[in-house]
Amino acid sequence: AQKITQTQPGMFVQEKEAVTLDCTYDTSDQSYGLFWYKQPSSGEMIFLIYQGSYDEQNATEGRYSLNFQKARKSANLVISASQLGDSAMYFCAMREVPYNQGGKLIFGQGTELSVKP
Amino acid sequence: EPEVTQTPSHQVTQMGQEVILRCVPISNHLYFYWYRQILGQKVEFLVSFYNNEISEKSEIFDDQFSVERPDGSNFTLKIRSTKLEDSAMYFCASSEWTGGSPLHFGNGTRLTVT
Repeated sequence: AQKITQTQPGMFVQEKEAVTLDCTYDTSDQSYGLFWYKQPSSGEMIFLIYQGSYDEQNATEGRYSLNFQKARKSANLVISASQLGDSAMYFCAMREVPYNQGGKLIFGQGTELSVKP
Repeated sequence: EPEVTQTPSHQVTQMGQEVILRCVPISNHLYFYWYRQILGQKVEFLVSFYNNEISEKSEIFDDQFSVERPDGSNFTLKIRSTKLEDSAMYFCASSEWTGGSPLHFGNGTRLTVT
C-alpha cells in the first residue's frame, strides 16, 4: 500500500517567492520520522530536513521548513525565497518503527520544482 | 564532510552478465542500504544491512541480488544475471543510527543493461 503520497508531479514558482510542496503519509505507528530530500538534475540525493512524530515544533533548516500536521498526516515542505538553484526533484520519505527492521526510508513519487527567473 | 562513495559511476553490461556495484559508506555509520531509481522515477528500497546481515529486503531483491560487506569499509551489491529491466540508477546509502538519523546517499551508479 502506498504510504507516502506527493500529489504534485510538477510545480512552478517565481524566484524569491515561497513555495509549498505537499506530502501526506499513512501509518498506524505512533513513532515515525519524516524526511525531505532534494535531487538536482545531476542525480545526487541531498538530505534537507527531518521531523519526528513526537516533535512539537515544526522543523526548520535555513530556508526550508516543514509544516507538520499530525492529525492530517501531512508533512509539507516550505521553501522560502526560492532561488534558481532550488529547481530539482523533491522527495518526501518516511521511516517507521520497528527500527530493528533496519530503518529503511519509504519514498513518495516526488515533485519536480521549477523556479522561474 | 564525510560522504558515501560509489563506483563505478556508470556501468554498461550485457544481459545475463554479473555486475558488482561498490560502495564505501561513511566510516562511523552502522546501517547500510541499497535503493534503485528507474529513469527519474520513485526511489525504491532494495535492502538494508546491519550487523553484517540483511535486516530487511523488498520484493525486488530476489535471488539474483546479493549484498556483502567483505571488509570494514566496502559494501557491495551483486546482480548475478542482469536483465534489461535492471537498468536503473542504484544508490547506496548509510546512516549512523535509525530514528532521526538521515540516510546519506552516494552519487549513484547508472547501470545500463543491453
